[in-house]
This record gives sequence, C-alpha cells and structure tokens, in this order.
Amino acid sequence: GAGVSQTPSNKVTEKGKYVELRCDPISGHTALYWYRQSLGQGPEFLIYFQGTGAADDSGLPNDRFFAVRPEGSVSTLKIQRTERGDSAVYLCASSLTSGESDTQYFGPGTRLTVL
Amino acid sequence: KQEVTQIPAALSVPEGENLVLNCSFTDSAIYNLQWFRQDPGKGLTSLLLIQSSQREQTSGRLNASLDKSSGRSTLYIAASQPGDSATYLCAVSGYSSASKIIFGSGTRLSIRP
Repeated sequence: GAGVSQTPSNKVTEKGKYVELRCDPISGHTALYWYRQSLGQGPEFLIYFQGTGAADDSGLPNDRFFAVRPEGSVSTLKIQRTERGDSAVYLCASSLTSGESDTQYFGPGTRLTVL
Repeated sequence: KQEVTQIPAALSVPEGENLVLNCSFTDSAIYNLQWFRQDPGKGLTSLLLIQSSQREQTSGRLNASLDKSSGRSTLYIAASQPGDSATYLCAVSGYSSASKIIFGSGTRLSIRP
C-alpha cells in the first residue's frame, strides 16, 4: 500500500506568516510522529500522537508550534508567526502502534523556507 | 539528556571496500538503537533495529553491533556498492519515552565507482 505522504513538498513563506503542513500516515497506523531536520543535522523529535491525542509534545520548541490529529489519521502541524529559524525539513512518520519495537515509517518531508 | 554522536561526518571510499560507521550515545539506559538510511530529498528508511538486550543484528551486507555499557554502536557494510551512497543515521530510544527517538547528525557516505 501507499507509504506516508506529506504535503506540500516545498513551502516558501515570509517571516510572520502562518503555515500548515499536512501528513497522511499509512492506513491503519495508530501512532504518528513529527520531526524537524535542519541542514546537516539528524531529525529532532517534536511530537507524537497515539490515536487522536498527543502522547508526548515535549519536543515542540515553543507555543508557536501546534499539531492536531482530530480523527486519528491525518495530522496537521501548524506554525504561527513563522521565523527564519523555523526553516527546515519537517518529517512525519507513522507506526502500527506506539510500541517500542514498532518500526517508524517516514514520509519524504516538507521543506519549509521562511524568508 | 541523551546525546548521540556519529563519526565521521562524511566518508568516501572506493567500491568494494568494507567499512565501519561509528555511533556513540551518552546515556546507556536505552531501549533500542536503530540505524537509518536517508537519501537526498527522501525520508528515512530503517535498516536495522537492535534491542537493548541484543548485541548485534544482520541484514544482507549490513551488520550492526551494540555495546550498551560503553555507549557505542557500529554499522559494518561489506563489499560496498555505489548504491550504498547515502546518509546513515544512528538513533536511540530511552526507557522514559521509548517512542521518542534521538538521532545523531549522520555520516554522509559516498562510494566511488
């Protein structure tokens, strides 16, 4: 079946604007994760959902970042008042459950550029 | 706070060579360790996952070892091929939040034909 998909693949915005990034997980996967990857760095954990609820949001850098998953499938990462430092690739992953041994399958990412 | 370090940051070797990528982590209380591959503009693909109770895992030409007490892991690639060129990321999850993966910065590998 289809893998994890993310839209848009690229997003260019101006400083101060609001952006939404979308993630479609693999069908049937109950756990969904968001990561941020800056150039030359490994992905940095932001938040993960088990079903509709955020089970761990300790990686969100500040209150400008918010994520939802209202029906336990698609998730949207929302960034308010974007700053140039928010420029990065935002990766989404999903797994069948949130079990420790469950493999996380990653999407191709959304490259966000804040001018 | 867990920190994951990968050395070297970049590596270029001729085709056919065997090679080793290194990973170290500061907190030995991990639940598991994974090695991922990332191709440019693509997402991550999990290569090998080693549970904390295991010492190594093998898949084809890849072998990953784990020494939890010393906070080290190695990824061994045998008979390297140009198609192995990619960035290899090491990542650990801890007992406190096993679903939260902490990544290293990666080793960018280039295999010369």
